[in-house]
Amino acid sequence: GAVVSQHPSWVICKSGTSVKIECRSLDFQATTMFWYRQFPKQSLMLMATSNEGSKATYEQGVEKDKFLINHASLTLSTLTVTSAHPEDSSFYICSARDWRAAANVLTFGAGSRLTVL
Amino acid sequence: TQLLEQSPQFLSIQEGENLTVYCNSSSVFSSLQWYRQEPGEGPVLLVTVVTGGEVKKLKRLTFQFGDARKDSSLHITAAQPGDTGLYLCAGATGANNLFFGTGTRLTVIP
Repeated sequence: GAVVSQHPSWVICKSGTSVKIECRSLDFQATTMFWYRQFPKQSLMLMATSNEGSKATYEQGVEKDKFLINHASLTLSTLTVTSAHPEDSSFYICSARDWRAAANVLTFGAGSRLTVL
Repeated sequence: TQLLEQSPQFLSIQEGENLTVYCNSSSVFSSLQWYRQEPGEGPVLLVTVVTGGEVKKLKRLTFQFGDARKDSSLHITAAQPGDTGLYLCAGATGANNLFFGTGTRLTVIP
């Protein structure tokens, strides 16, 4: 079946630094990938929709200059948290849709836990 | 943003008991999905329901989509410790829009 890999699975960084998280579709091509944020014991909140070859679409309240998204190929999307602060600490999850599959059939990555000191 | 409210938010039951989780919204969805998420992992799709009134069974799990396609329920029969996890419903309104519910954290005590 479809597999989505996220890297790193966890990262600890100092306040003010930038962190890049990768989301790869391993055995399928994904024209669209999604980035979510999940706080402890809460649900997933959609941050942005990443479209291959074009600019990402951000949800209301999500700063595009803070969370840089690049979807340069059909198998890779990256999320860069710029100038990270402790309040950015969270579990970040990506999902990808196989372009051949029915709409809304998404495969999720295992998530990346970011801790900003 | 469509709002999907799940109830209960937390549920702790003994092994062997039955339970029902509800997912309600004022919005109409083209389809609705249920996921289970383990700590530190991404959500795993359990089922997708598309037709109003549709009922799907997955072993001890029964999923139902409301007639008006605004709500759904998940019923677990004879819960087991392996059922423990965060259950999320997610409604779809278009090709790419998937909105997650508030989540129900289930703990099944042996």
